[in-house]
Amino acid sequence: ETGVTQSPTHLIKTRGQQVTLRCSSQSGHNTVSWYQQALGQGPQFIFQYYREEENGRGNFPPRFSGLQFPNYSSELNVNALELDDSALYLCASSLSASRNEQFFGPGTRLTVL
Amino acid sequence: QKEVEQNSGPLSVPEGAIASLNCTYSDRGSQSFFWYRQYSGKSPELIMFIYSNGDKEDGRFTAQLNKASQYVSLLIRDSQPSDSATYLCAVIYDNAGNMLTFGGGTRLMVKP
Repeated sequence: ETGVTQSPTHLIKTRGQQVTLRCSSQSGHNTVSWYQQALGQGPQFIFQYYREEENGRGNFPPRFSGLQFPNYSSELNVNALELDDSALYLCASSLSASRNEQFFGPGTRLTVL
Repeated sequence: QKEVEQNSGPLSVPEGAIASLNCTYSDRGSQSFFWYRQYSGKSPELIMFIYSNGDKEDGRFTAQLNKASQYVSLLIRDSQPSDSATYLCAVIYDNAGNMLTFGGGTRLMVKP
């Protein structure tokens, strides 16, 4: 059984640029959630995708957007990067939107200069 | 605003002792409770979940839930230096879909 994978591992961007982060869900999981974790804090929910549709969104601006593909992999896109977007971006998958246990991938460390 | 509170620590315990980690949450309408372990520079790892009042044991770990007091705890028996990490408490509130609300985490240090 393959766990959750994310790419890239690390990324450095400059303010104003755009970034795309990718996630492959655990085998058999159809729900993917994205979280942002700033240094020294707990993860903050960005949004969730279930069967290719957004299924809930946290308190993040519209420049944070996402996609889920038919194979349940997902992308997180962030436009007009700001310095405060520097964080660890975590993808978590779960068996379905009604099964609550979420399993995290290794994360992507984004640095915005 | 629905919150999850944890003491940031560090909580220092000697090897072999019981480590007790605590978490409070702000809304009685909560249905699911989770403990994640996060090593420095790594992603959170799910170690326990509990949905009903009472205790749930898994190996050296015991999760305790008291919905009346809005309190959930994690006990680690026979603590090992490898248990040194940040422990994150997370809650799914009613009407919040499948969104995890995390506390800030408690850093645990187990000294040999």
